[in-house]
Amino acid sequence: NAGVTQTPKFQVLKTGQSMTLQCAQDMNHNSMYWYRQDPGMGLRLIYYSASEGTTDKGEVPNGYNVSRLNKREFSLRLESAAPSQTSVYFCASSWDRNQPQHFGDGTRLSIL
Amino acid sequence: SQQGEEDPQALSIQEGENATMNCSYKTSINNLQWYRQNSGRGLVHLILIRSNEREKHSGRLRVTLDTSKKSSSLLITASRAADTASYFCATDAVGYAGGTSYGKLTFGQGTILTVHP
Repeated sequence: NAGVTQTPKFQVLKTGQSMTLQCAQDMNHNSMYWYRQDPGMGLRLIYYSASEGTTDKGEVPNGYNVSRLNKREFSLRLESAAPSQTSVYFCASSWDRNQPQHFGDGTRLSIL
Repeated sequence: SQQGEEDPQALSIQEGENATMNCSYKTSINNLQWYRQNSGRGLVHLILIRSNEREKHSGRLRVTLDTSKKSSSLLITASRAADTASYFCATDAVGYAGGTSYGKLTFGQGTILTVHP
C-alpha cells in the first residue's frame, strides 16, 4: 500500500518560475488537501477538494492553483514562484470528516 | 489563524516517564485529532476523539477532551526514545460542499517531544 505519494520530494526554483506538485492516493478517499508547513507555524491549509470535481480555498490560497484531476490525483501549481513560498508542502487525503487524514512525506521546495 | 494551541512548545523527558501535552482551541468542534510527525516525514494520525467523547485510549496513548474548557490533552505513558517527534492537535471545522461532507482541519503549532534513553 503506497498511501499518499507526492512528487517531487525536493525542488529548487528561481523566482518567477512555475511548477506543479503532484499528489496521488490509492485509498479511494473522497477528500484531498494541500498544506504548507513553515517553522513555528504548524500546518496551514492551502486548498482542498471535498470530492472529485470540487475545489475550494483554504487559509493561504494566494499564489497557488489546484486541479482535482480525478479521484486519485490532486495537483498544486505555483504559477510564478516567490521566495515566500519556500516551504514544505504536504498532501493529505481522507474518507470523510470523521476519519483521519493520511499524509504524504512532503515536497521540500526552495525558491531563490 | 491557528485554532489549536499546544502547550508546552517543547518537552524533554527520560525514557520510562510519562509525557503530557495540552491543546486549547477557540470554537466549537466536530472532532479533535492528534498527529505525530517524525523529523523529515509526513504526519501520522494517532487518535481521533469526537465532540461527544471525553476520553479515548490507544495502546500507550490516552486522550481527553473537555469541550466546556475547549481543551484536550495527550498522555503518552512509559515513553520510549522512539516516541521522540513533534505532536500536533488538529480541530475539525465542519464544512459541506458538493453533497459530500469533509473535514477541514486546523492545526496547532505542535509540541516537540524529546525522550532521552
